[in-house]
Order: sequence, then C-alpha cells, then structure tokens
Amino acid sequence: NAGVTQTPKFQVLKTGQSMTLQCAQDMNHNSMYWYRQDPGMGLRLIYYSASEGTTDKGEVPNGYNVSRLNKREFSLRLESAAPSQTSVYFCASSDQGGTQETQYFGPGTRLLVL
Amino acid sequence: SQKIEQNSEALNIQEGKTATLTCNYTNYSPAYLQWYRQDPGRGPVFLLLIRENEKEKRKERLKVTFDTTLKQSLFHITASQPADSATYLCALLMDSNYQLIWGAGTKLIIKP
Repeated sequence: NAGVTQTPKFQVLKTGQSMTLQCAQDMNHNSMYWYRQDPGMGLRLIYYSASEGTTDKGEVPNGYNVSRLNKREFSLRLESAAPSQTSVYFCASSDQGGTQETQYFGPGTRLLVL
Repeated sequence: SQKIEQNSEALNIQEGKTATLTCNYTNYSPAYLQWYRQDPGRGPVFLLLIRENEKEKRKERLKVTFDTTLKQSLFHITASQPADSATYLCALLMDSNYQLIWGAGTKLIIKP
C-alpha cells in the first residue's frame, strides 16, 4: 500500500517549457487535490477533483490545467512554465472530500523554472 | 481579508518540556480545524482534528484546543522529544466550500 505517489521528485524547466506532474493513490479515495507550497506561505490549492470525472479551480489555478484520468490518477499540467511557478507541488487525496475527512499527501515534486 | 497566522519563528524547546504552538485566524467561521506535521522533504501528515463545538481533543502526548471566541487553536506536545522536531501546520476547513485553508506552519526544534 503505497498511499499517494508523485512523479517526478524533482524537475528543472526553462521558461516556456511544458510538463505534466503525475499523481496516483491506491486508497480508493474519491477526492484528489493539487497544492503548491512556497516559503513563508501556507499550502495553496491549485485544483481539486471531488470525484472521478469532475475538477474545480482552487485558490491559484492560473497557468495550470488538470486531468482526473480515473479514480486513481490526477495529473497537473503546466503549459508554459514561468519562474513564478517555481515551487514544491503536493498531491493529496481524501475519502469523501470536505466534512471531517483528513487529507493524505504525496512526497511532493520540487520544480525549478529558470 | 481572510488570514491564518502561525508563529513564523522557530520554537526551541528543551526535551521533556511541553511545546505549545499557536494558530490564529481572522474572518473565518471554520467547521473544523486540523493539525498536520511536516518533516523536511516530505508531505504533511495528519495528526488531529477538532470540531467547532469541541473545546479540547487529545491523542497520546498531543492536545489541541479550539476557542472560536478568540479565533485561536493551541497545539500542545507534552514530554517533548527530539523526534518531535518538525514543522507543524494548522488548517481550517471552511463549511462554505469544504476546502482546507492552511497556515504557513511553525518549525519546532526539541533540544536534547
């Protein structure tokens, strides 16, 4: 039982390049989330998927797109990377979403945009 | 504007003492408040949840209080150990949209 896995662990991009961050969970959770974490700031929600087939914008969606490929997988795409997107990206999942459900996090992807 | 504040400076505590971390919020009416632990290079890990109608919640050496009048939660670790050294994050669950709003975290250092 791996929990939440993310790939890659680390990535360096040049401005304007594109990439997709992958996330998968094996806990049969319905809800999945993408956050970014920057120094001195709390985790900020980029996008979330309350259930398979649905996605919604979070607090900071600009410059990102997501795909809920199936119940297990939720990917985050940067179409044209900018230095402001340098950050640590975390994927998380929860059983029902909202209410009192806790979130389970992956190990993160560290992205540097030059 | 909506805001969650945690002490930005690291908290240094002697081993064996009680560590107390603070989470203050403004302009929110959260349904729940959660505390997570984050170690360097890793994702946050859930520790405790407390509801708005609960004053206190305990789990082993951990205790959380929630004062909706003061808009504050306190997180206590009793008999602290060096292994408790980590960054601790508070997160508020908003009833309106069921999203978690996160504090920036407080780094706790337990010295032997």
